[in-house]
Amino acid sequence: KAGVTQTPRYLIKTRGQQVTLSCSPISGHRSVSWYQQTPGQGLQFLFEYFSETQRNKGNFPGRFSGRQFSNSRSEMNVSTLELGDSALYLCASSLAWEGYEQYFGPGTRLTVT
Amino acid sequence: AQSVTQLGSHVSVSEGALVLLRCNYSSSVPPYLFWYVQYPNQGLQLLLKYTSAATLVKGINGFEAEFKKSETSFHLTKPSAHMSDAAEYFCAVSPTGRRALTFGSGTRLQVQP
Repeated sequence: KAGVTQTPRYLIKTRGQQVTLSCSPISGHRSVSWYQQTPGQGLQFLFEYFSETQRNKGNFPGRFSGRQFSNSRSEMNVSTLELGDSALYLCASSLAWEGYEQYFGPGTRLTVT
Repeated sequence: AQSVTQLGSHVSVSEGALVLLRCNYSSSVPPYLFWYVQYPNQGLQLLLKYTSAATLVKGINGFEAEFKKSETSFHLTKPSAHMSDAAEYFCAVSPTGRRALTFGSGTRLQVQP
C-alpha cells in the first residue's frame, strides 16, 4: 500500500506570495493532519481534517488555511508569505478518529526569500 | 494544556550499547503516547504507541518503551544500538478525543562505531 504522498517536495517562494501544498493520504485513511517543523519552534500542529471537516486547529494565524476533499486528499494554503514561514510542512494520515496512529509523509520543504 | 519534555537534545552511544531516550509528559488524564523517528530529509516514522492496553510497549527495530504513570514518563530503550539507529527521535502526546499531537523538542541520537 502506498504511503502518504506530498507535493511538491521542495518549493521556493518570495515574501508576500501565497502557496498551496498538497497531501494524498494512505488509501482508506479519512483523517489528515498538518504540522509545521522549524529548527526554532520544533514540530507544531496546524490543523486536522476528518470527513472534509476541520476538527481541530493549532495556534497559527489566519494566513494558514486548509481543506479536505471527498477523496480525503487535503491541501493547505499559506497566504502573504513571511520569511518565518520557511519550514518543513508535514502531512499525516490516519485510518479514523481517536486512537489510531498517524502516518507521516516526507514533507514539503518551503523556503521563503 | 499537555506538554512533553525530552531530556537531552543530543545523546551519543557506542554501537552495541544500551539506548535510553527520556520522555516525560504532563497530562491530567492518561493520554496516548508515541515515539517517532526522523531520518535526514524524511518525514516521521512511527516506532511505537501507548494507548493504555499495556504499560510495556514493543515497537519496530527492537525499540520498546515503558509507560510509568507515577513518574509521568515514557522512556524509549533499545538493548543494543546499531549504526542505522542514528536519527532524531520525537516523543509525542495526544489527548483522548483529539488527534493533534504535541511533540517534544526531539533527541538526536548519535551512534559511535
